[in-house]
Formats: sequence, C-alpha cells, structure tokens
Amino acid sequence: EDQVTQSPEALRLQEGESSSLNCSYTVSGLRGLFWYRQDPGKGPEFLFTLYSAGEEKEKERLKATLTKKESFLHITAPKPEDSATYLCAVLPGTYKYIFGTGTRLKVLA
Amino acid sequence: EAQVTQNPRYLITVTGKKLTVTCSQNMNHEYMSWYRQDPGLGLRQIYYSMNVEVTDKGDVPEGYKVSRKEKRNFPLILESPSPNQTSLYFCASSLASVNTEAFFGQGTRLTVV
Repeated sequence: EDQVTQSPEALRLQEGESSSLNCSYTVSGLRGLFWYRQDPGKGPEFLFTLYSAGEEKEKERLKATLTKKESFLHITAPKPEDSATYLCAVLPGTYKYIFGTGTRLKVLA
Repeated sequence: EAQVTQNPRYLITVTGKKLTVTCSQNMNHEYMSWYRQDPGLGLRQIYYSMNVEVTDKGDVPEGYKVSRKEKRNFPLILESPSPNQTSLYFCASSLASVNTEAFFGQGTRLTVV
C-alpha cells in the first residue's frame, strides 16, 4: 500500500536554529515528490518538486533532498515567518496524490 | 491573477440536504482535484479529473460526486450530506497530472449537523 509518513509532527525552533523535516514514503513507482507550505486557514502553497534520488532543490532558507525512501526539508537559520505546516506529497504510478499529515513548525523570535 | 476560486468559504447545512461546492480556475489547467483535510489524517484526495469529461475516484470518494463539463470548473456535489462529511475541503488544479505544481483554492469549511 502506498503511504507517506512525516516526522516530527510538530517542531519548535529558536530563530536561527537550523533543522530538518522528514518525509518517508512507500510507493509503487514514484513519479514525483512534492513539498508544500500551509499557513493557518489557507490552502497549501507549492515549494518544490523532486523527481529522482539524489536530486536537491533550494529556495531561500529551504533545501529539499530526495533518496529512494525519504525526503528531507532542511531549514537553515529559520525566521518566525517560516512558521507554518509543511506538507509532503507523492505521486505514485497512479494519478492519485498521497499526502502526509504534515509537520507543524513554530519558529520563536 | 492566477487563482483557484472556491465557493462558499463556509457552509453549515443539515443532514440530507444536497449541496454543491464550486471550484473554478483561470489558468487553463487540465488536472483538477478535490481534497478533504481532517485533523490527524492530512489531505485525502476525493476525486480528480485529468481533463473535460474525464474523472476518477481518489482515496475517499464515498458520498461525493463530481463533474467536469468545462475545463475551468470542477464542482463537488454532496447528494445527501452526513455529519462525517464535516471537514475542510480544498480544490486544486495543475497544468498536467504528472510532476507539476498544484495551485490550491482557499478552502471551504463545511459543517453538517
């Protein structure tokens, strides 16, 4: 069965304290892995797509990496405005997206 | 401005009263889908559409219907809502189904009493 697991469920960081969020997956035939950011009361906002193991993408303080079993979202020197829920999603061999339950990140000033 | 628009944003209804949540996108996207988001369960796909007149079930389709008569619109229909359909619903669209970013609507918070 295709599934996605994100950890930790919640994370509190001090401003400037770097950390990583994990997304582990078990799918049949990965077409792509996606990271989204979701602010309270809003729809998810796209961050990255990763296609194959070894691929990395960066955007400001965020860097996403992919292996054959998991993806990491590294946050370097986070700021309070990075506080949000970060969602991981995979698109397996079917056309049905599977989302993880997310990591709630709180960055304290 | 590129956007996905859902209506209504908030809805309280009674069990069994048919309702429709509308979704419209202005980006000429082929792929559209509906999700529900529940605490502890994350986003779960209800239905998706790969193009006009082409729809298929996601992971939790029971109790829902969809139609795709025009490329820009993808309404979600609850023929006989029940309390377990109380949830936050999101519509999303993307240029194509494969490896393209999805744009999400603002969400519809539905309460069925």
